[in-house]
Formats: sequence, C-alpha cells, structure tokens
Amino acid sequence: EAQVTQNPRYLITVTGKKLTVTCSQNMNHEYMSWYRQDPGLGLRQIYYSMNVEVTDKGDVPEGYKVSRKEKRNFPLILESPSPNQTSLYFCASSFLDRGRETQYFGPGTRLLVL
Amino acid sequence: SQQGEEDPQALSIQEGENATMNCSYKTSINNLQWYRQNSGRGLVHLILIRSNEREKHSGRLRVTLDTSKKSSSLLITASRAADTASYFCATDSVDSNYQLIWGAGTKLIIKP
Repeated sequence: EAQVTQNPRYLITVTGKKLTVTCSQNMNHEYMSWYRQDPGLGLRQIYYSMNVEVTDKGDVPEGYKVSRKEKRNFPLILESPSPNQTSLYFCASSFLDRGRETQYFGPGTRLLVL
Repeated sequence: SQQGEEDPQALSIQEGENATMNCSYKTSINNLQWYRQNSGRGLVHLILIRSNEREKHSGRLRVTLDTSKKSSSLLITASRAADTASYFCATDSVDSNYQLIWGAGTKLIIKP
C-alpha cells in the first residue's frame, strides 16, 4: 500500500530535550516536505527536499533540522525544542514532474513541548 | 508565506445541500490544488486544476479557476455527513520551486 508513515504519532517532551520525528514513504517520490499546522494558520512549510542530499528551507525553518540521506526517509530534528514548537506536524511527499505533483501526507505527529 | 485565503472560514449546511468554498491567491500559478482534512488527520488530495484550465469535475466535486481574478471555488454537490472536514487550497506558484502555498482552510460542517 502506497503511504507516508510518521513516528511517533504523539509526543510529549520537555524544553531542550532533542527529538527526532521520522518520515518514510514507499512511493519512490523525489520531493519530501515537512509542515506544521497551527490553529488559524493553515499549513506552514518547515523544510523540503527535492532529492537525496538536497534540502532547503521553507517558511518557518528556525529551530528545526532535516536530512535526506536516503530517498525514502526525511527525518525532522528538533535539537532543542521550545514550547512554541508545540504543534501538529505533517510529512508529505510527491513526484517532481509536472502531472504527478499531488502531495501525499502522513497521518501527523502531535507534539507538546513543556 | 501564506498565499491562499479561503472563504468562508466556516460553513454549516444541511445534508443534501451544496457547499461552495472559495480560495484567493496572489501570484501567478502553475496549478491550484484542493485538499480535505478530517479532524486532526493527514490531508487528502481532492483535485488539481492547472492554470490553463477553467473548470474540472471529480464525482460530486466541481472546481473552477479564474486566473484573471486569482481565485478558485470548490463546489461539493449533494453534501453528506462524511463531507464534514476542513478544506484547504494550495497553490503551486510559478516562482515557488515546487513549494505549495497553503490557505488557512474552510471548516465545513454537514448537519444530518
């Protein structure tokens, strides 16, 4: 089954404790992206990647890191989480070529930073 | 940066009625996409309309695009309780490098 998986789905942590949210897709997509969703603000892009070893900042990259060592995986790293990073996070992936650019979303990771 | 703006922010209608949501954007686009999100879950792609298209249908969904007004509308006909969700438009701007720019969404409630 074609899917984007994220882990964990729920996470409660404390300020400053490094964490990683994993994202994996099995559709051989070149493009992967991380978003955060906050009430009334819609989806805001954190980082995206157009292929292995190619990453770029989105609209709200501060406080986050990503890596793309393999095509299927795109982990999101919070080196020192802060309460303003409490949010719902989504990973998404798609092909890059025009005509197949529909994004597929993971189920989301709900993060609470105390 | 937020480009798409949905209107209305919330919409509550009776089952069986039609629901119309609008999206406005600011810059030239390659395509505009509509997604649905059930409460707290991942987004699901509904339909994509390209800049050279004016109207597109998929089942009970009808999407229009007016590039001169930089706006799009999503019509859901004969609504069902299962259509209750938030609906988002996302634009793929000409100069965006494959980034989608998202609106804040329309929350649709279908009353039985």
